[in-house]
Order: sequence, then structure tokens, then C-alpha cells
Amino acid sequence: DGGITQSPKYLFRKEGQNVTLSCEQNLNHDAMYWYRQDPGQGLRLIYYSQIVNDFQKGDIAEGYSVSREKKESFPLTVTSAQKNPTAFYLCASSIHTEAFFGQGTRLTVV
Amino acid sequence: EDQVTQSPEALRLQEGESSSLNCSYTVSGLRGLFWYRQDPGKGPEFLFTLYSAGEEKEKERLKATLTKKESFLHITAPKPEDSATYLCASNAGGTSYGKLTFGQGTILTVHP
Repeated sequence: DGGITQSPKYLFRKEGQNVTLSCEQNLNHDAMYWYRQDPGQGLRLIYYSQIVNDFQKGDIAEGYSVSREKKESFPLTVTSAQKNPTAFYLCASSIHTEAFFGQGTRLTVV
Repeated sequence: EDQVTQSPEALRLQEGESSSLNCSYTVSGLRGLFWYRQDPGKGPEFLFTLYSAGEEKEKERLKATLTKKESFLHITAPKPEDSATYLCASNAGGTSYGKLTFGQGTILTVHP
């Protein structure tokens, strides 16, 4: 089945630690994205990549980093510099006119 | 700055009671207006893309329409399984297709 796989589904992080969220797609899409969702707010764009080895900051990139070494993979690292990392993180990919989302990773800082 | 606003924030309907969700947008050079459905704890599921004013698309009990300033998601004779959060998003011309501006969503609850 073609799709976008995010792992893990739940992630707990201690304050001061970096954590990496995985996103893999087998749709052969060129572009991939990371969004953050907080209760009562719309999804906000963190980073996006339109081709391998290239990525751009979105609206809320501070405290996050990404890499795009393979077309299929777009991991997101939440660094200790992110002040409020507890949120639901969604990865997406797009081709032509539509964007498709993974099932999300819920990150909680403990 | 592009903006998308959805109303109402929450909507409770009885099964079979038709209604509409609103999405107002301010976008420079709208390329597409998107509707997604999101179940609790899951990622958004794509429903529709609308490209130009006057366009309409249908899927089962849902119909999406687009004007120059708004989009509506009409729900006809809803069932409890239609309960979800419905998200509206815009994409501006000259940007990557997945670079979306989202509204806050409308939480729809359909009671049997």
C-alpha cells in the first residue's frame, strides 16, 4: 500500500533532550512537509522540502531542524531550543495539486 | 498575509439534519482551496480541491462550493459517522502545493 508512515505514534521527551520524528513515504512524491497542530489552532508549517538535499523554513522553524538525504525520507528533529514542543506533529507529501498526510506523532515533554 | 477563518468552531446536528460549514479566505492569488476531514488522533484525510469561483465537488453526503471569498462544505442528511473535525486550507500561486494555510477547523458532532 502506498502512503506516508510516521513513527513513533507517541513520543515522550525530557526537557533539554533532542528527539527525531521519522517520516517515510512510498508515493514517489518530490515534496514533503512538516506541520505542527496545537489544540484549537490550525496546522502550522515548520519546514518543507521540494527536492532532495534542499529544504526551506516554514512559519515556525525556530527550534527545529530537518534533513532530506533521500526522496522517501524527511526526518524532523525537535531540539532543546524549542520552547514549547508538546504538540501533534504531522508529515505530508504532495504531487501536483494535492497534499496527503501521515497519521501523526504526538510528542509530550515530561 | 494569507488568512483562512472557519465557522462555526463547533456544530452539533441531529442525524438527518442538513447544514453547512463556512471557510472565509484572504489569499493573494488563490491556486487551490482544500477540504480535509480529521478524526481524533489521526492525520487529515483529503476530501476536495476547488480551484475557481463557481466550482462544486461532491462526495457521498458532502458537497463543497467556492466563491471569490468563501467556501462552503454542505452536509446533507448527516450520519453519526460524519462526526469529525473538518479543516479548510488554501494554497497560493507560486508556492509548493503542500504549503497550505489552514483554518482552525470546525468540530462536527452528529447525534443519532
